[in-house]
Amino acid sequence: GQQLNQSPQSMFIQEGEDVSMNCTSSSIFNTWLWYKQDPGEGPVLLIALYKAGELTSNGRLTAQFGITRKDSFLNISASIPSDVGIYFCAALNYGGSQGNLIFGKGTKLSVKP
Amino acid sequence: EAGVAQSPRYKIIEKRQSVAFWCNPISGHATLYWYQQILGQGPKLLIQFQNNGVVDDSQLPKDRFSAERLKGVDSTLKIQPAKLEDSAVYLCASSSRDPRSGYTFGSGTRLTVV
Repeated sequence: GQQLNQSPQSMFIQEGEDVSMNCTSSSIFNTWLWYKQDPGEGPVLLIALYKAGELTSNGRLTAQFGITRKDSFLNISASIPSDVGIYFCAALNYGGSQGNLIFGKGTKLSVKP
Repeated sequence: EAGVAQSPRYKIIEKRQSVAFWCNPISGHATLYWYQQILGQGPKLLIQFQNNGVVDDSQLPKDRFSAERLKGVDSTLKIQPAKLEDSAVYLCASSSRDPRSGYTFGSGTRLTVV
């Protein structure tokens, strides 16, 4: 079945550093989403991307929808302690046979003050 | 707006027992999803409802799992009998008719089967 390969699996960085993570697939999608999950909570949507090549920002977060429609990346600039959590990429083919959101395995981010 | 409500937050049961989880989606959201999230992994879809009808239950282990959304609003997911490998967080999510705006997730129910 379809799957998303997310990397890195975990990151341990210093406060103030920039962070980059990505997600790839062998399948094409028409929607890419990035979520953050804090301990004991459900995932919360950060950024949604709907068009190949699209670059979208949300504060210090920037995400891009790859031009091949098979990948996406998320950057976090000037990380702060509250950025700690697990980041998931997710992808969807709205209107196609696969209309459900599938998730990567997550990138666990730890920030050292 | 109120978020997706789930209960209970935690549940510990012995294997072969049964358990039920409840979800109330965001008001007006026609589509409701149940996901299973095993520790260290991303959420995996179990079942999707559109109003009170099942759209996709291809990954639901139907020999032990069942779900219903009788009035097209809240939903119940049941496991009977539970196995050790069912230990996971069960997340409920809902979306408007256009899911591209993203799903809104509840806080989940953490199930431990001993």
